[in-house]
Amino acid sequence: SQQGEEDPQALSIQEGENATMNCSYKTSINNLQWYRQNSGRGLVHLILIRSNEREKHSGRLRVTLDTSKKSSSLLITASRAADTASYFCASPGGDYKLSFGAGTTVTVRA
Amino acid sequence: GAGVSQTPSNKVTEKGKYVELRCDPISGHTALYWYRQSLGQGPEFLIYFQGTGAADDSGLPNDRFFAVRPEGSVSTLKIQRTERGDSAVYLCASSLSGANTGELFFGEGSRLTVL
Repeated sequence: SQQGEEDPQALSIQEGENATMNCSYKTSINNLQWYRQNSGRGLVHLILIRSNEREKHSGRLRVTLDTSKKSSSLLITASRAADTASYFCASPGGDYKLSFGAGTTVTVRA
Repeated sequence: GAGVSQTPSNKVTEKGKYVELRCDPISGHTALYWYRQSLGQGPEFLIYFQGTGAADDSGLPNDRFFAVRPEGSVSTLKIQRTERGDSAVYLCASSLSGANTGELFFGEGSRLTVL
C-alpha cells in the first residue's frame, strides 16, 4: 500500500511561476523525502526533511512538514522548462522501505 | 561505477518466458531495493536486501518473482513464466543504510514488455 499521496495529480504552469504540490501520509514517520522523475528516467532524490524539522530549503526548492496534519508540501520557485517532471513524496513505511505516492506531474510551459 | 546500473534497459519477451534483470548498486551500499513502476503510478516496493539477505520480500506479487544478492553487491530479479501484467519498469535503488535514515539512489530502470 502507498504511504503518501500527492495532490494535485497534474499541474501546468508558465515558466517563471511557482509550483506547489502537497503530500499526505498515513503513519508516523521520522523523515519524508521528495524525488523527481524525468520521463523515462530513474528517480532522483531532491530533499529529505526530518520529523523534527518544519521547513527546509535547497536552491529553488522549499519543503514544509506538518506532522500534526501528516502532510508536506514542495514549492518550486521561479520554475524553468527543465523542472518538467513527475514529483513524488516518499516516507519510510517501516524501518527501512520507502513507500511512494502516485506523484504530481508538473509541466512548465515556455 | 558512479551510480546504480541496471541491465538490460529494455527487455521484450513473450508470455511464459523467463526473465532476469540485473542491478549493480553503488559500491559500499549495503541496502538494495527493487521497485516496480507501472505507467502513471509511483514505484511499488518489491523487495529489500540488507547485505546478502532479503530482509523483506513482502512486496513480491507471487512466487513467480524471486531475487538474489549472493555476494552482497549485484542483485538479480528473476521472473518465471512471465505474464502480460508483469509489463512495467523495474527500478533498483541502493542506500548506505536504508531509507529510515537517508536517501535512495535509483538506477534508470529496466523496462519489461511481455507480449
